Amino acid sequence: GAGVSQTPSNKVTEKGKYVELRCDPISGHTALYWYRQSLGQGPEFLIYFQGTGAADDSGLPNDRFFAVRPEGSVSTLKIQRTERGDSAVYLCASSLGQGVGETQYFGPGTRLLVL
Amino acid sequence: AQSVTQLGSHVSVSEGALVLLRCNYSSSVPPYLFWYVQYPNQGLQLLLKYTSAATLVKGINGFEAEFKKSETSFHLTKPSAHMSDAAEYFCAVSEVTGGGNKLTFGTGTQLKVEL
Repeated sequence: GAGVSQTPSNKVTEKGKYVELRCDPISGHTALYWYRQSLGQGPEFLIYFQGTGAADDSGLPNDRFFAVRPEGSVSTLKIQRTERGDSAVYLCASSLGQGVGETQYFGPGTRLLVL
Repeated sequence: AQSVTQLGSHVSVSEGALVLLRCNYSSSVPPYLFWYVQYPNQGLQLLLKYTSAATLVKGINGFEAEFKKSETSFHLTKPSAHMSDAAEYFCAVSEVTGGGNKLTFGTGTQLKVEL
């Protein structure tokens, strides 16, 4: 079956602009996660959704970052007033359930470059 | 908070040689541990995971890892390296959060396989 998909695969924007990154999880997966991977680093947790609600947004770096999942499937990560430091690969993952130890399936990521 | 340390950001082995990638964790509760592999321009793929069952865990592509509580380690091994194993490998520990399953990753180890 189809895996996690993310669009766009690459996004180049200018400092100060607004961007939206989309994640389409595996069908039937209730849990959805966003991570950010900077160059030479491992992915860092941003936010977790169970269904439509953000159960944990403790990883969002500041209030310029916001994410939604209005129908419990597709999620959008929104970044306002982008800064050069926001340049990274943004990864989305989904899992069937929310239990500890559940396997998270990752998408290919969106590579964001802020000029 | 839980954390993961991967010793050696770059490891180089000859084709056919043993692969050993090191991972040490820090956790206040019994951990759930994962190894993921990332090929260039692709998402993370699960190799194997430890979820408090058998301490020796076998994964895909001939990889395995042994959970050693006394050493707080979860090293990844493969008896004989293949050229196709060249990739970046991430160790991760799972932390229950808001009912979910947040992963904390190490900084990764780039594996190079030489003829």
